[in-house]
Amino acid sequence: AQSVSQHNHHVILSEAASLELGCNYSYGGTVNLFWYVQYPGQHLQLLLKYFSGDPLVKGIKGFEAEFIKSKFSFNLRKPSVQWSDTAEYFCAVTDYNNNDMRFGAGTRLTVKP
Amino acid sequence: GAVVSQHPSWVICKSGTSVKIECRSLDFQATTMFWYRQFPKQSLMLMATSNEGSKATYEQGVEKDKFLINHASLTLSTLTVTSAHPEDSSFYICSATDWTGLNYGYTFGSGTRLTVV
Repeated sequence: AQSVSQHNHHVILSEAASLELGCNYSYGGTVNLFWYVQYPGQHLQLLLKYFSGDPLVKGIKGFEAEFIKSKFSFNLRKPSVQWSDTAEYFCAVTDYNNNDMRFGAGTRLTVKP
Repeated sequence: GAVVSQHPSWVICKSGTSVKIECRSLDFQATTMFWYRQFPKQSLMLMATSNEGSKATYEQGVEKDKFLINHASLTLSTLTVTSAHPEDSSFYICSATDWTGLNYGYTFGSGTRLTVV
């Protein structure tokens, strides 16, 4: 089965700083990749997803992620973070033929105003 | 967009009682629904996958007799925590898939916080 690892448990940034959150997956076949955000007390919201095509994926709220197949990575980036980006971020993966979604441990992002 | 409603949002029950959590897809037919458990400051752990009209598939280590899952229709799945104990206290989240060609996605419910006292 596929698995996901997120390298950073807690990231603290100042407003306007650039963000990159690491995500690596383990699976030998074709995968679908996702980034979700969970604001305090709220449910998961999809930021972006990659199924195929252009490996650079643009999402909502200025986020983007790049799929690098050779590195089994799908890192999330944002050029300039805002205080409102403070949340928990989860990388997730599904096997292309499978339905179930596996999540990374999550990265807590704290943006200082 | 696709919406999944989960009810109740929070529940407190006594040890030994059972609790039912509902997950409804409001504007699409969910052929598959998933149940996750999230411990504080941890990630979501998949508990089981349920396909409409079939028995749920449980992940290793999840007791199927304790966590009863029913997916009787394309819009409703239920998770019943039977004989709940304090260690079952957690945040339970459902998600549903809308398999419409290449536009499928996973929509999550808002979660249910279960506290067993």
